Amino acid sequence: AQSVTQLDSHVSVSEGTPVLLRCNYSSSYSPSLFWYVQHPNKGLQLLLKYTSAATLVKGINGFEAEFKKSETSFHLTKPSAHMSDAAEYFCVVSDNPSGTYKYIFGTGTRLKVLA
Amino acid sequence: DAGITQSPRHKVTETGTPVTLRCHQTENHRYMYWYRQDPGHGLRLIHYSYGVKDTDKGEVSDGYSVSRSKTEDFLLTLESATSSQTSVYFCAISGVGLNTEAFFGQGTRLTVV
Repeated sequence: AQSVTQLDSHVSVSEGTPVLLRCNYSSSYSPSLFWYVQHPNKGLQLLLKYTSAATLVKGINGFEAEFKKSETSFHLTKPSAHMSDAAEYFCVVSDNPSGTYKYIFGTGTRLKVLA
Repeated sequence: DAGITQSPRHKVTETGTPVTLRCHQTENHRYMYWYRQDPGHGLRLIHYSYGVKDTDKGEVSDGYSVSRSKTEDFLLTLESATSSQTSVYFCAISGVGLNTEAFFGQGTRLTVV
């Protein structure tokens, strides 16, 4: 079975500084990986997804993630944090046992942006 | 937003009572999912459906049942609610394909007192 591990439950950065949210995955074959964002009391929004077409994936709001197979990592980055980036972020892997599709979530990283 | 509607959005119920949450989609997607979100656990899969009348268990299915009699509706039932089922419940939908993302509803906040 596939799984994801988000290495930090909380990350704090100052506005204007880089953001790094770490995710490692476990997979027996080539995975599909996603990052979702959840703002307070809101639903989940897709930031970006890795589909094996390119290892560097660009998403919305200036976020990007790099798939590194050798490190089994899919870390999320942004060059310059904005106050509106404060939210919880989830790394997700798509699993498909027996031809059905399931989405396995990490435990989340809460990003705090300091003024 | 994808056409997903969850109802109710908020509910308070008493221990031991049955509760049904509804997820309705207008996207005609094959797959539908129910997750629960709890602090420190992320989202955990309760049950999912891969077609009408085709459902399977997720990792936290005990105490929950589901039904899907139409493509657009996926019901989650708590047969006898317990305080441990106090949570935020999310419905999600997706199409077919390993690279297809899931789309989520706005969530239902359920409190069992």
